[in-house]
Amino acid sequence: QVQLVQSGAEVKKSGSSVKVSCKASGGTFSTYAISWVRQAPGQGLEWMGGIIPIFGTANYAQKFQGRVTITTDESTSTAYMELSSLRSEDTAVYYCEVVVVVAATPRDYWGQGTLVTVSS
Amino acid sequence: SYELTQPPSVSVSPGQTARITCSGDTLPKQYAYWYQQKPGQAPVMVIYKDSERPSGIPERFSGSSSGTTVTLTISGVQAEDEADYYCRSADSSGTYDVFGGGTQVTVL
Repeated sequence: QVQLVQSGAEVKKSGSSVKVSCKASGGTFSTYAISWVRQAPGQGLEWMGGIIPIFGTANYAQKFQGRVTITTDESTSTAYMELSSLRSEDTAVYYCEVVVVVAATPRDYWGQGTLVTVSS
Repeated sequence: SYELTQPPSVSVSPGQTARITCSGDTLPKQYAYWYQQKPGQAPVMVIYKDSERPSGIPERFSGSSSGTTVTLTISGVQAEDEADYYCRSADSSGTYDVFGGGTQVTVL
């Protein structure tokens, strides 16, 4: 069983950056497939990017290329998502998701979500 | 960029069958996954690899695939199934994920 705990809500100014953390417990962190997914108010889910810590290289959705950085710290089993050059349209709930494959069966776990509010 | 297309809404009476479609060019090559999201909650995977059901998901949820369209079927819909449903898949390289726009299921 994997549990994910995300950092708290943030209020940021336009043009600044935000870094959201996602601390995992249970399982083997290095083999997790970690994704960051956001959801603007009243809107759908949007995949931002993902990483598997043991491989180290993150992949980012084209929309966020150059603005988002996803990293992990295996020593603390924590994943991070940093989004820069914030604008009002980045106001959203940001989720981390972990997929663990056991006997060829994926099981997904989600953090509680972090509300990021961008104001001018 | 790659897109998945879903109908915005589906309405169904209790006990009836709801079908939600998701269309995308690479669906013949990439698996689809379906998620249920209720207000104020994180999503939950209800179908993986087009048609497989995770443990703990009721049998009334099923998935199928035909060409560029995948379908989530909820048989014998219950009031608790009222939620938003999202399909998810990958681009042709399998590197980048994408979600469909979501379908709001209303139980009449």
